[in-house]
Amino acid sequence: AQTVTQSQPEMSVQEAETVTLSCTYDTSENNYYLFWYKQPPSRQMILVIRQEAYKQQNATENRFSVNFQKAAKSFSLKISDSQLGDTAMYFCAFIPSGSARQLTFGSGTQLTVLP
Amino acid sequence: GAGVSQTPSNKVTEKGKYVELRCDPISGHTALYWYRQSLGQGPEFLIYFQGTGAADDSGLPNDRFFAVRPEGSVSTLKIQRTERGDSAVYLCASSGGTGSDTQYFGPGTRLTVL
Repeated sequence: AQTVTQSQPEMSVQEAETVTLSCTYDTSENNYYLFWYKQPPSRQMILVIRQEAYKQQNATENRFSVNFQKAAKSFSLKISDSQLGDTAMYFCAFIPSGSARQLTFGSGTQLTVLP
Repeated sequence: GAGVSQTPSNKVTEKGKYVELRCDPISGHTALYWYRQSLGQGPEFLIYFQGTGAADDSGLPNDRFFAVRPEGSVSTLKIQRTERGDSAVYLCASSGGTGSDTQYFGPGTRLTVL
């Protein structure tokens, strides 16, 4: 079974600054995918970024980037130039490649961007 | 194109009643998933469809929960004899259907059982 741990229930950052959200996971799988999803108060779960475990290069998507450490089973999200619209709950999620299909989510980090 | 849609947006019912929650996936997506999200927690897997068949229903909590996808597109999650503990946001997601595909989520249905 897989587990995903987000140890920061809440974080805040000043507008325009940089913040890093932590995520660790536990799995015996060698091939898998990791995701960060954002969930604002509207409830819509929005994909932020995706990382394929077999790729050494860290994924980036505009102001969002990850630090993927496969050996340490760590997958942190860095948000640069934080904007008020980044305020949301952020979930880290894991899915093994192959036959399994369900996403396993962490408990989330509530990020508040302060003006 | 249109994203995943879910209806109703909110549903309030009384304990013991039957409810149906509907999910309309992204056109062409063969895989459809249901998750349940309790307040302050991450979503938890309920059931996954590949086409019309339930490929994995290991997350359904008990036999009061059932889901169908008769034509391989729209899915309905059915809950019989609702209990207060069933109150949660029910999220639906769809993907292209292979193990690497990203799941795209709908806005969810907030179910409240009084």
